[in-house]
Amino acid sequence: EVQLVESGGGLVQPGGSLRLSCAASGFTFSNYCMNWVRQAPGEGLQWVANIKQDGNEKYYVDSVKGRFTISRDNANNSLFLEMDSLRAEDTAVYYCARGDNSGSCYRPADYWGQGTLVTVSS
Amino acid sequence: DIVMTQSPDSLAVSLGERATINCKSSQSVLYNSNKNNYLAWYQQKPGQPPKKLFYWASARESGVPDRFSGSGSGTEFTLTISSLQAEDVAVYYCQQYYSFPLTFGGGTNVEIK
Repeated sequence: EVQLVESGGGLVQPGGSLRLSCAASGFTFSNYCMNWVRQAPGEGLQWVANIKQDGNEKYYVDSVKGRFTISRDNANNSLFLEMDSLRAEDTAVYYCARGDNSGSCYRPADYWGQGTLVTVSS
Repeated sequence: DIVMTQSPDSLAVSLGERATINCKSSQSVLYNSNKNNYLAWYQQKPGQPPKKLFYWASARESGVPDRFSGSGSGTEFTLTISSLQAEDVAVYYCQQYYSFPLTFGGGTNVEIK
């Protein structure tokens, strides 16, 4: 069974940093493009970033470029999102979501974790 | 960026009746070399993560009931629920994966009338 379990969310002050983790199981993690998608309270979905299987290609939405870094550890089946210079508008539930194993990251996500809440507030 | 616009924002349909959700992209998401539309549909129920329903605009994900159908090409797409059931109450999102950043529509809230 595919499982994605996010952790690392919490309350952080504006300008602060946070590192999200996603533990993957039930599939060959290294074969899949992986995504972070967020959802502000009561709002819609926003794709944040994704990373190719080998970690050498990464893509970001403009609003997080230069502040967020996506990475992965294929040996430990883990996905990460390092978030710096956090702003109030980054407040959201952050979902880890699996892409596919076609070799392309231009694909929708098929499995999603339950999400971890990040709140940026003083 | 490709802007995805869904309509309506909210929809109330009687049980057993048809629900139709529209999604328009600001530019074509049809990739000419493979004739695929890079468009997906998701369903999100309260307190749950999204669930993928369709990819390539009309390819149904395994386990999705056949009362759900996806159609359209280029810039205009439709998700249809042919006979609404109580368990279909949810917010539905379209998403393009033709170009980065991947973008979602604003969502359509489907309720029972």
